[in-house]
Amino acid sequence: NAGVTQTPKFRVLKTGQSMTLLCAQDMNHEYMYWYRQDPGMGLRLIHYSVGEGTTAKGEVPDGYNVSRLKKQNFLLGLESAAPSQTSVYFCASGGTVPSYEQYFGPGTRLTVT
Amino acid sequence: GENVEQHPSTLSVQEGDSAVIKCTYSDSASNYFPWYKQELGKRPQLIIDIRSNVGEKKDQRIAVTLNKTAKHFSLHITETQPEDSAVYFCAASSPADSWGKLQFGAGTQVVVTP
Repeated sequence: NAGVTQTPKFRVLKTGQSMTLLCAQDMNHEYMYWYRQDPGMGLRLIHYSVGEGTTAKGEVPDGYNVSRLKKQNFLLGLESAAPSQTSVYFCASGGTVPSYEQYFGPGTRLTVT
Repeated sequence: GENVEQHPSTLSVQEGDSAVIKCTYSDSASNYFPWYKQELGKRPQLIIDIRSNVGEKKDQRIAVTLNKTAKHFSLHITETQPEDSAVYFCAASSPADSWGKLQFGAGTQVVVTP
């Protein structure tokens, strides 16, 4: 039981490049979330999903897209990376019913130059 | 939407002393309040949570109190140890949000000095 995993762990992009971050969970959770963490700003919600094919915008969605084609996977895409997207990205998953408890992945440190 | 404010932003305590972190929330309907601990370079991990039908909850050296009237909740760490050094985040969630979203505070950096 790996819990929540994220790939890659680190990435450096040039401005304008694209990439996809992968989150996978093996706890059969319905709810999955993508956050970004910046110094002094806590965890800010980018996008979230309540099940396969269902996604919604969070607090800071601009410049990101997501897909949930399989229940266990939640992908975060950056179509044209900008330096403002330099951050640590965390994925989290929650229970089948809204029990509110969220379990976090190890994070992806992204630098855009 | 929900807004959570967390104070202080940094907290330095001597080993063995107590630490208290306070959070206020704006949505009176919020009913779930977790606390996460994040060590340097690691993922946030849930350490304790409280629901609105309870005023206080303890787990060994940590406790959380909730004042629904004043819309604030606090984390108390007693007999602090160096391994308590980390960033602590509070969060709140409202039942009106069926997606289980959490609104996080900005975090408190706790440093325990020997």
